Amino acid sequence: QVQLVESGGGLVKPGGSLRLSCAASGFTFSDYYMSWIRQAPGKGLEWVSYISSSSSYTNYADSVKGRFTISRDNAKNSLYLQMNSLRAEDTAVYYCARGDPGIAVAGDAKGFDYWGQGTLVTVSS
Amino acid sequence: SYELTQPPSVSVSPGQTARITCSGDALPKQYAYWYQQKPGQAPVLVIYKDSERPSGIPERFSGSSSGTTVTLTISGVQAEDEADYYCQSADSSGTHVVFGGGTKLTVL
Repeated sequence: QVQLVESGGGLVKPGGSLRLSCAASGFTFSDYYMSWIRQAPGKGLEWVSYISSSSSYTNYADSVKGRFTISRDNAKNSLYLQMNSLRAEDTAVYYCARGDPGIAVAGDAKGFDYWGQGTLVTVSS
Repeated sequence: SYELTQPPSVSVSPGQTARITCSGDALPKQYAYWYQQKPGQAPVLVIYKDSERPSGIPERFSGSSSGTTVTLTISGVQAEDEADYYCQSADSSGTHVVFGGGTKLTVL
């Protein structure tokens, strides 16, 4: 069965850095777009970033562009999010999700069909 | 930046039909998706490509599209359907992903 397990969250001071990981299993990881989506406490969902199956394409929300970097290691079935210059407003549960949300060229556009359970990132002094 | 607009809340009695709308200028050219999120849980995809239903999602969930508005319809609402629902699409360039603000469905 498909499993996505995030790790790496925690408490970090403003201006600090954190690296999130998402371990994937139960499917051919290298076939899929992957994304990070976050949810601030009591708020709605916010897309953060996606990466194509071969890492050729990446994109970021304006709110994180220049501070966050998405990457993947298909040999390790793993997705990453390097977060630098963290701000209080980055405090959220961060989910990794599988699939093409309608942005992939010649993709299947089947949406975010599997999500991890999330990892909490708290940015506070 | 591009936005999708949803009503903050919708209330229905059990057995009735709930309709949740999502509006956005690029919806005529971009697919829409719907996600259900219950408290303390990760979101679940309930509709993709405007009106397709993933396997395992009950038939009472359906989606439709008309111009700049897409609608999630839940027929014969059950207590277990009480949740937050989010629409999602892409901007007009098809490069950025956008979520609506979410709609809290209350089953009275």
